[in-house]
Amino acid sequence: AQSVTQLDSHVSVSEGTPVLLRCNYSSSYSPSLFWYVQHPNKGLQLLLKYTSAATLVKGINGFEAEFKKSETSFHLTKPSAHMSDAAEYFCVVTPNSGGYQKVTFGTGTKLQVIP
Amino acid sequence: DAGVIQSPRHEVTEMGQEVTLRCKPISGHDYLFWYRQTMMRGLELLIYFNNNVPIDDSGMPEDRFSAKMPNASFSTLKIQPSEPRDSAVYFCASRDRGLAEAFFGQGTRLTVV
Repeated sequence: AQSVTQLDSHVSVSEGTPVLLRCNYSSSYSPSLFWYVQHPNKGLQLLLKYTSAATLVKGINGFEAEFKKSETSFHLTKPSAHMSDAAEYFCVVTPNSGGYQKVTFGTGTKLQVIP
Repeated sequence: DAGVIQSPRHEVTEMGQEVTLRCKPISGHDYLFWYRQTMMRGLELLIYFNNNVPIDDSGMPEDRFSAKMPNASFSTLKIQPSEPRDSAVYFCASRDRGLAEAFFGQGTRLTVV
C-alpha cells in the first residue's frame, strides 16, 4: 500500500522569498517520488524526480527536493519565488520495484506568489 | 516528439450522449494511463494499459465508462451515456518502461449539461 500527503492545500509567499511545499509519503516498496506542476488550464509538467539515487534532487526552474527516508518526506523548495511559479503542485509516489505501476497523487498544493 | 496528444481539448455535450476522448501517447512508450481531475476528488487513475493491454481498470467509476487501446499509438476513453457528474478534466499520460515518470497530455475538459 502507498499514500502521499501534501500538508498544505494553499501556500502564499511574496515574490523573492523562499518556497516550501511539504509532502509526506508511505510506501510498502522502495518508492520513486516526483513533483509535478500544473499551471491553470494546462497539463501536468514534471519538475523533478527521485528514483533511489542522490537524495537531493534538482529540477527545472530552480526547484529542488530532498528525499528523507527517516522522515518519509519529500519537500519541494525554491530559494526565491517568481511570479511565474504560481500554480498547483502535486507530489506523486510510485513503487520503485518492477511490475506494479500504480501511481498515487497527492491532493495538490496551490502556490500563490504575491508581488 | 510532440508529447502526449489529446483531443478534443474541450467537449460540451448533453446528458445522455456518447462522448469519446482520444489520446496519442509518446511514440515508444509502453504504458498509457487515463486520469480524471475534479475539484472534489483531485486526480484519479481510471485505467492503465501496458503494451496495449488493460492492466488495472479498478478506477473506472462505472460501466458507462470504457477504454480501449487498439494499437500502440492510440487510445480512447468512452462514456455512454454521459451524465453531468462526469464533467471533469480527463488526462492521458504515457510512460516508457525505462523511465520512472509519466508524461501528461494537455487534458480534455468535458462538460456535460
